[in-house]
Amino acid sequence: DAGVTQSPTHLIKTRGQQVTLRCSPKSGHDTVSWYQQALGQGPQFIFQYYEEEERQRGNFPDRFSGHQFPNYSSELNVNALLLGDSALYLCASSLLFLPNSPLHFGNGTRLTVT
Amino acid sequence: DAKTTQPNSMESNEEEPVHLPCNHSTISGTDYIHWYRQLPSQGPEYVIHGLTSNVNNRMASLAIAEDRKSSTLILHRATLRDAAVYYCILSTNAGKSTFGDGTTLTVKP
Repeated sequence: DAGVTQSPTHLIKTRGQQVTLRCSPKSGHDTVSWYQQALGQGPQFIFQYYEEEERQRGNFPDRFSGHQFPNYSSELNVNALLLGDSALYLCASSLLFLPNSPLHFGNGTRLTVT
Repeated sequence: DAKTTQPNSMESNEEEPVHLPCNHSTISGTDYIHWYRQLPSQGPEYVIHGLTSNVNNRMASLAIAEDRKSSTLILHRATLRDAAVYYCILSTNAGKSTFGDGTTLTVKP
């Protein structure tokens, strides 16, 4: 049973460019959350998708957007990249839109902005 | 956002018990307490969660204070593979989980 998979694993972009990161949730999961983790810090919540809609959003600018597809997979898009966007981007899936549902994380996409 | 406070780092000897504390004084009645751990170059891994009662699973035990304002993750016999960053988070009814900076656990042989 495949867990959460993210692609690509590493990515290098230039300031001002746009990037799309992809996530396939664990089989049977329907909720996807995205996190940004800077070096030496804990993951910061970006947003959460359920039933193809953004349900919750953290303190991130509109340059960060997302999408969830009918098969529950998800994309994270970041426009007008800044150097400060360099981080590990983590996708987490869960079974239900409930607080007792554990998050299952992928191993992330390491984004470097130069 | 619901906030948790954890020590930055802790050390343990191999095969000894480890008690990792977490304070969450602003917890609401419907918030669940979740613990995750993260090894280098990996995403966080679920460890355990609870609401009011103490919980046990194959990885660890979770002791929750009666007023729910603090909790303790207990690793009964630490191994070198338990060296990781441990995160205590509150999972809200809104489905939002907020991570702090966690506790870096070092296990000495």
